[in-house]
Amino acid sequence: DAKTTQPNSMESNEEEPVHLPCNHSTISGTDYIHWYRQLPSQGPEYVIHGLTSNVNNRMASLAIAEDRKSSTLILHRATLRDAAVYYCILSLPSGSARQLTFGSGTQLTVLP
Amino acid sequence: ETGVTQTPRHLVMGMTNKKSLKCEQHLGHNAMYWYKQSAKKPLELMFVYNFKEQTENNSVPSRFSPECPNSSHLFLHLHTLQPEDSALYLCASSQERASYGEQFFGPGTRLTVL
Repeated sequence: DAKTTQPNSMESNEEEPVHLPCNHSTISGTDYIHWYRQLPSQGPEYVIHGLTSNVNNRMASLAIAEDRKSSTLILHRATLRDAAVYYCILSLPSGSARQLTFGSGTQLTVLP
Repeated sequence: ETGVTQTPRHLVMGMTNKKSLKCEQHLGHNAMYWYKQSAKKPLELMFVYNFKEQTENNSVPSRFSPECPNSSHLFLHLHTLQPEDSALYLCASSQERASYGEQFFGPGTRLTVL
């Protein structure tokens, strides 16, 4: 399985943008890039996913490098409720139940 | 109830006990998953069911026995567990189709084995 590398932790000030990086140099052409986050005492929740093009949704934006070897999750205005562990995950496209291999993720701390 | 629910939320059991964890999804999904999250370790995928058929078993010890009677319910039967099996057990579901199917997670069952 292709692996991802993320910083262990990051800090951000409230109401400022946050850029969470992820390296995936061994990504294959059919791997999707997924981001999930896990708030304290909760199960993970889906944030965003993409394949080649940049993606936007109500929670965040995903910027994917042209060579797809890295990506960045962008939270446009961090709030205290965004403090969580953020996971960058690669997996094959759907068609069968998808295996998500979680790494250690990035612990995001949002400072008031 | 909406989303993915898990019961019980907390469970304490001895090594000789038999217990079961229950997961129910109210999303009409056709795939369900069990994950284990131990302290200071990443989530580990344990089992995958797709249309009630087990499609993945990631080398999980036989003291963990999954059951998927229908696409809405998933059980994890536990017997003769070890203290190192203490962890947060998470259930998830997804709708597998031609395009993307994100996984929806339940709140988890916090298991302590004495």
